[in-house]
Amino acid sequence: GQNIDQPTEMTATEGAIVQINCTYQTSGFNGLFWYQQHAGEAPTFLSYNVLDGLEEKGRFSSFLSRSKGYSYLLLKELQMKDSASYLCAVSNQAGTALIFGKGTTLSVSS
Amino acid sequence: DTAVSQTPKYLVTQMGNDKSIKCEQNLGHDTMYWYKQDSKKFLKIMFSYNNKELIINETVPNRFSPKSPDKAHLNLHINSLELGDSAVYFCASSHKGREPDTQYFGPGTRLTVL
Repeated sequence: GQNIDQPTEMTATEGAIVQINCTYQTSGFNGLFWYQQHAGEAPTFLSYNVLDGLEEKGRFSSFLSRSKGYSYLLLKELQMKDSASYLCAVSNQAGTALIFGKGTTLSVSS
Repeated sequence: DTAVSQTPKYLVTQMGNDKSIKCEQNLGHDTMYWYKQDSKKFLKIMFSYNNKELIINETVPNRFSPKSPDKAHLNLHINSLELGDSAVYFCASSHKGREPDTQYFGPGTRLTVL
């Protein structure tokens, strides 16, 4: 079966660091993606991991451990505009579709 | 210079009607997708087309029929609409063989069935 788990909600304050965890159990794996989705808008691509380790992109970093079926998204120097839903998604074995988790709603307050 | 576009953005209709949603991408991608996002914000794959050929069809009622006239377009036709079809439908595209095979999403179509 396919199962991707992430926390439903998180809160943080401006300037802080937050880590959003994602665990997955899927029948195949061809990479893990993180997307950001603001309310009423389309998901937008943030990061991609296919090998174990950390990928850094400005204020955002993403980590993957394939043996543990685990990833996290790290957001540094939080800004109000980072308030959004963060979606963890696994690309299936054939690379033909993304299997999404239910998303983590992050609220950043001043 | 919109990358992935969808029309209409909003669609309100009665149960039992038939409706279509159109999607176009100008990214030169060869694969297009339809996703459904329900009221709990869960995004789920419906269909995937590569070079105009269906490559994935999840457990979607056969009232839903995708049609790809060319690589840049993937339309979704829905027959006999039901209340449970109310959701936001997102089109996406990507290019197979690129690493990563990142999917880019359209703005979504909010379908409300009354």
